[in-house]
Amino acid sequence: DQQVKQNSPSLSVQEGRISILNCDYTNSMFDYFLWYKKYPAEGPTFLISISSIKDKNEDGRFTVFLNKSAKHLSLHIVPSQPGDSAVYFCAASAGGPMLTFGGGTRLMVKP
Amino acid sequence: NAGVTQTPKFRVLKTGQSMTLLCAQDMNHEYMYWYRQDPGMGLRLIHYSVGEGTTAKGEVPDGYNVSRLKKQNFLLGLESAAPSQTSVYFCASSLLAGRADTQYFGPGTRLTVL
Repeated sequence: DQQVKQNSPSLSVQEGRISILNCDYTNSMFDYFLWYKKYPAEGPTFLISISSIKDKNEDGRFTVFLNKSAKHLSLHIVPSQPGDSAVYFCAASAGGPMLTFGGGTRLMVKP
Repeated sequence: NAGVTQTPKFRVLKTGQSMTLLCAQDMNHEYMYWYRQDPGMGLRLIHYSVGEGTTAKGEVPDGYNVSRLKKQNFLLGLESAAPSQTSVYFCASSLLAGRADTQYFGPGTRLTVL
């Protein structure tokens, strides 16, 4: 049973518009959340994170929102650029070295 | 700095064969990890190490063994490969554990078991 789920396998967005990627989790012990970005034939790279004591974290065009009561987080990319086309993984931590990843969402930003 | 490197990049095995995947990092990181990525499943942790000479089981350890004889290297072994082990394998490292630090990933090894 997956504890971190990304229910949209793919998302297509026009360049310049907002991309919203969603992630749901079931484990109440998760208190730190991360987003990783992955290009083909490369390993994932860290994008942005948020602690459960916050409900929003922003870094340039990327913002992550956390709704603890709904066990839901989302990644907003504004404005979207063609170079943002990649697979995005949501991950969660309950402490210690282990991360639990979602299945990923493939984002395609069309020029 | 090369970061995290993995050898080989691709490999095809027959059922029952054995092989070792090598991960090397030049960032002096204490923590190292082996993940597998399968379609729709994301990345799942196989084994990890919190320092030279240590190893620990992750979420899906069965069928794999690991060793960390040197701080910079983390080896993943398959003693008797099975088709269910067809996957893309990623190694990662971090200076600190979990939320305290970012994990840096290698480029991956695509393994096919026939």
